[in-house]
Amino acid sequence: EVQLVESGGGLVKPGGSLRLSCAASGFTFSSYSMNWVRQAPGKGLEWVSSISSSSSYIYYADSVKGRFTISRDNAKNSLYLQMNSLRAEDTAVYYCARGKVDCSGGSCYGYFDYWGQGTLVTVSS
Amino acid sequence: DIQMTQSPSSVSASVGDRVTITCRASQGISSWLAWYQQKPGKAPKLLIYAASSLQSGVPSRFSGSGSGTDFTLTISSLQPEDFATYYCQQANSFPLGVTFGQGTRLEIK
Repeated sequence: EVQLVESGGGLVKPGGSLRLSCAASGFTFSSYSMNWVRQAPGKGLEWVSSISSSSSYIYYADSVKGRFTISRDNAKNSLYLQMNSLRAEDTAVYYCARGKVDCSGGSCYGYFDYWGQGTLVTVSS
Repeated sequence: DIQMTQSPSSVSASVGDRVTITCRASQGISSWLAWYQQKPGKAPKLLIYAASSLQSGVPSRFSGSGSGTDFTLTISSLQPEDFATYYCQQANSFPLGVTFGQGTRLEIK
């Protein structure tokens, strides 16, 4: 059974830092791209960041570029999100999600087929 | 960026009803669209991908159709556990191009 378990959320002051973790099990972690998707309270879903299976390709949403860093440790079946210079608008539940990706003709198409339960990050003074 | 617009924003229906939710893309995305179900306090769950492919384990009362700019999610006979919020997601140019619709809340009448 595929399981993704996030941890590391909490209350942090504006300008502060937090590191989220996602522990994966039930599948060959090193074979899949992994992602962070967030959801502000009462709002919709927003893709945040993606990392390819071997960490060769890393992408960020413009809203977090330069402040967040995604990484993974395939030996530990773990995904991470280092969040610096946090702002009030970063307040959200952060989900770890596995990528279901197909690349052809120079383009890639992808979905999120398994999600963790989420971890809440609150940025407030 | 490709914008995704869902309609309606909310809908009320009864158990046993047939319900259709629509998602429109601001430009053509072929069949690269997914649908997710989210219940309060829970993570989203993938229902449909590639516009009409049913994710493993999802009941057959869920179906998807469409291509280009217009897509639909249909629930053929609503069950009590189907009352939730549904999101569409365009999958073109993954991951930088990924965008979600604003959601459709399906409520009990």
